Amino acid sequence: RKEVEQDPGPFNVPEGATVAFNCTYSNSASQSFFWYRQDCRKEPKLLMSVYSSGNEDGRFTAQLNRASQYISLLIRDSKLSDSATYLCVVTRIGGFKTIFGAGTRLFVKA
Amino acid sequence: GAGVSQSPSNKVTEKGKDVELRCDPISGHTALYWYRQSLGQGLEFLIYFQGNSAPDKSGLPSDRFSAERTGGSVSTLTIQRTQQEDSAVYLCASSLGARGPGELFFGEGSRLTVL
Repeated sequence: RKEVEQDPGPFNVPEGATVAFNCTYSNSASQSFFWYRQDCRKEPKLLMSVYSSGNEDGRFTAQLNRASQYISLLIRDSKLSDSATYLCVVTRIGGFKTIFGAGTRLFVKA
Repeated sequence: GAGVSQSPSNKVTEKGKDVELRCDPISGHTALYWYRQSLGQGLEFLIYFQGNSAPDKSGLPSDRFSAERTGGSVSTLTIQRTQQEDSAVYLCASSLGARGPGELFFGEGSRLTVL
């Protein structure tokens, strides 16, 4: 079993739709959580950190459920420019090892 | 300011040859990571360096892979006796590493093709 698992998609949604991605992690000693975005043939870039209390950045909302060991990302009012692969990222307590999920592909259509 | 720089951006080699990939992290970043990404796949952790600590090599797929970081800055990933399955994009990232990994800043990657 992979340490970080995501639904690979693709998710095909129309502009303006709301879409949600989930990610599960298997190591209960995980400490920090992030969502990264990767455009086609580009390097990943940080989208947002994920905090226990949940956090929001504009149209993006991230949630963490430690008891169930999953992380979610909600995108409201999808834009064409949101089309990308969204990577769930987990780091371990007491170290720097940073594990990426395989990513969820999103296509937003006009 | 300069970001993470990787070279070469593209490398085509023959099976059995050795290759070296270079990463120049952001100045002042103490943590440096190498990942591998095969076509259409996620990022596979290879190794990380943090300050003067021993590197975490737990992701290196075989003893043909090695990496070093000289002077706490530039890193070189070496693949010996390359195989076709080594073909991938090798991504380097660095982070401040003050109290944890924090945000990783990636280079554009080195695309390796083994014929």
